Amino acid sequence: QQQVKQSPQSLIVQKGGISIINCAYENTAFDYFPWYQQFPGKGPALLIAIRPDVSEKKEGRFTISFNKSAKQFSLHIMDSQPGDSATYFCAASRVTGGGNKLTFGTGTQLKVEL
Amino acid sequence: GAGVSQSPRYKVAKRGQDVALRCDPISGHVSLFWYQQALGQGPEFLTYFQNEAQLDKSGLPSDRFFAERPEGSVSTLKIQRTQQEDSAVYLCASSLARVTPNEKLFFGSGTQLSVL
Repeated sequence: QQQVKQSPQSLIVQKGGISIINCAYENTAFDYFPWYQQFPGKGPALLIAIRPDVSEKKEGRFTISFNKSAKQFSLHIMDSQPGDSATYFCAASRVTGGGNKLTFGTGTQLKVEL
Repeated sequence: GAGVSQSPRYKVAKRGQDVALRCDPISGHVSLFWYQQALGQGPEFLTYFQNEAQLDKSGLPSDRFFAERPEGSVSTLKIQRTQQEDSAVYLCASSLARVTPNEKLFFGSGTQLSVL
């Protein structure tokens, strides 16, 4: 039972372009939606996160758009750079019964070409 | 230390062997999590500690998996009678707070377990 579905599986973007990764969730009890960035051989690192009471959050070149009614959220990377090449995971969690227990998507492998 | 430290970095085990994976969380972090990441997949939750108390072990795949954190700091994940399907990267993560949904989680680099 996959509670967080992520697409696309892989993405190639030209330097300076916009990278867009989408996620959909099923459990309406989720109340925290982070995005993680993972480089080969490293653990995931928190990139940006949003709560369901806002529709958008921006931090530098990274923006999360959140649609509560559709149960979807997306990550936009503006002015994509080769250093952004990594695997990106969306995730979701709820407060009750386990603190920050995260349910991850399956990941998107992003490659930014020169 | 500066971050979450895991050891060993790589572990090769013969099927049927027992293994123990260690996690040193960031000093003072109350919450500690173990995740399992299969090749090409997202991490999957295994278990959660708040200090020394194991509050959630719902993600442990079988009774061959056991985790402990006896003094509320270092944690060990033990896998008995390893099977090939146990091959994965085992990630440890810690956070400062107890139950806060947006408390930042810090991950270690993981232990890559290969069962032959």
